[in-house]
Amino acid sequence: DVKVTQSSRYLVKRTGEKVFLECVQDMDHENMFWYRQDPGLGLRLIYFSYDVKMKEKGDIPEGYSVSREKKERFSLILESASTNQTSMYLCASSIQGKREKLFFGSGTQLSVL
Amino acid sequence: QKEVEQDPGPLSVPEGAIVSLNCTYSNSAFQYFMWYRQYSRKGPELLMYTYSSGNKEDGRFTAQVDKSSKYISLFIRDSQPSDSATYLCAMSPAAGNKLTFGGGTRVLVKP
Repeated sequence: DVKVTQSSRYLVKRTGEKVFLECVQDMDHENMFWYRQDPGLGLRLIYFSYDVKMKEKGDIPEGYSVSREKKERFSLILESASTNQTSMYLCASSIQGKREKLFFGSGTQLSVL
Repeated sequence: QKEVEQDPGPLSVPEGAIVSLNCTYSNSAFQYFMWYRQYSRKGPELLMYTYSSGNKEDGRFTAQVDKSSKYISLFIRDSQPSDSATYLCAMSPAAGNKLTFGGGTRVLVKP
């Protein structure tokens, strides 16, 4: 079974803090994704990576950056957290050419106070 | 207007009933259609995957796509309490393209 592991289940941070969300997958998938999930808005893509050190902006990249130094690890960085970034963050992975067949982690519920 | 619309529910049904879920969309370029199931405090998992119009059946689950009406459906027969979850539709214009998700419908199956 594919396993996508997100480092924290719950995080509470203060406005202005730098926040790191970590994600690791164990199935050698080329593609990795960061989504945020808000009630009524569904899943919105923040960033996508199709290879080590490669990244593409998603629909809502503002206020976020990402890092992919190793194939299995994809990090989401909030440079200066704001209250409107309070959300559920979901990491996902997929094999090359199958961006639609996503395997998700359990999510990180981030609260920015 | 959102590109993909989905009633948020909750949809409450008795055990054994048929659950009927649907999504409408506006982008006629969508060709690939998916249903994801998300249990509470878990990430979504892929449930059904269909291409273009028609029906696809997998056990108690049937997915239907009507591209002429820009409407997709998911039916769950003989529903069980373990089917209680949020169901998200998703679609893309081509294989390998990014997905556009609906907001999800919360389903409660009562014993």
